[in-house]
Amino acid sequence: KNQVEQSPQSLIILEGKNCTLQCNYTVSPFSNLRWYKQDTGRGPVSLTIMTFSENTKSNGRYTATLDADTKQSSLHITASQLSDSASYICVVSPGGSGTYKYIFGTGTRLKVLA
Amino acid sequence: NAGVTQTPKFQVLKTGQSMTLQCAQDMNHEYMSWYRQDPGMGLRLIHYSVGAGITDQGEVPNGYNVSRSTTEDFPLRLLSAAPSQTSVYFCASNLQGADTGELFFGEGSRLTVL
Repeated sequence: KNQVEQSPQSLIILEGKNCTLQCNYTVSPFSNLRWYKQDTGRGPVSLTIMTFSENTKSNGRYTATLDADTKQSSLHITASQLSDSASYICVVSPGGSGTYKYIFGTGTRLKVLA
Repeated sequence: NAGVTQTPKFQVLKTGQSMTLQCAQDMNHEYMSWYRQDPGMGLRLIHYSVGAGITDQGEVPNGYNVSRSTTEDFPLRLLSAAPSQTSVYFCASNLQGADTGELFFGEGSRLTVL
């Protein structure tokens, strides 16, 4: 069964600290993996998208890594800010021509404290 | 840029009532979709459309109807609301299919069915 699992479920860190969020997937075949940020009461916003051949993708203080062999991805946040408080959602696409399938993880809720 | 616009933002219904959630995008995207987001679960696809006049069912289509008469608009209709349809609904659009296109979300519509 195609699944995306994220850990931890929630995380609290102090402002300025780094953190890493994990995403494991069992989706096959695999086309791409995305990380989204969802602020409370808002829609998800794309952070990164990585295809099978990419290992790392950065977007400012956000760096995503992908290991397609072990089917694992991580999102590393450097020097966290209060505005990083949000849910982070991992999304995997099985791919295939014309497909419209996205498999969403349940997200990691991050709280950054001053 | 407006992007994906959803209305209303909040709605309370009584069991058995019907209503329509509106979604419009101004990016000339071919693909549009509706998701629901429930606590502890990943986003689940309700219906999607790959172009004007073409719609298809997603993972949880029961109790919902859609139509796509124009590229810009993709309304979601609840035929006879049930408490199980209490959720946050997100409309999304993308230019290309899931294997390449970035997914853009609206701000969400929070629906409560009493």
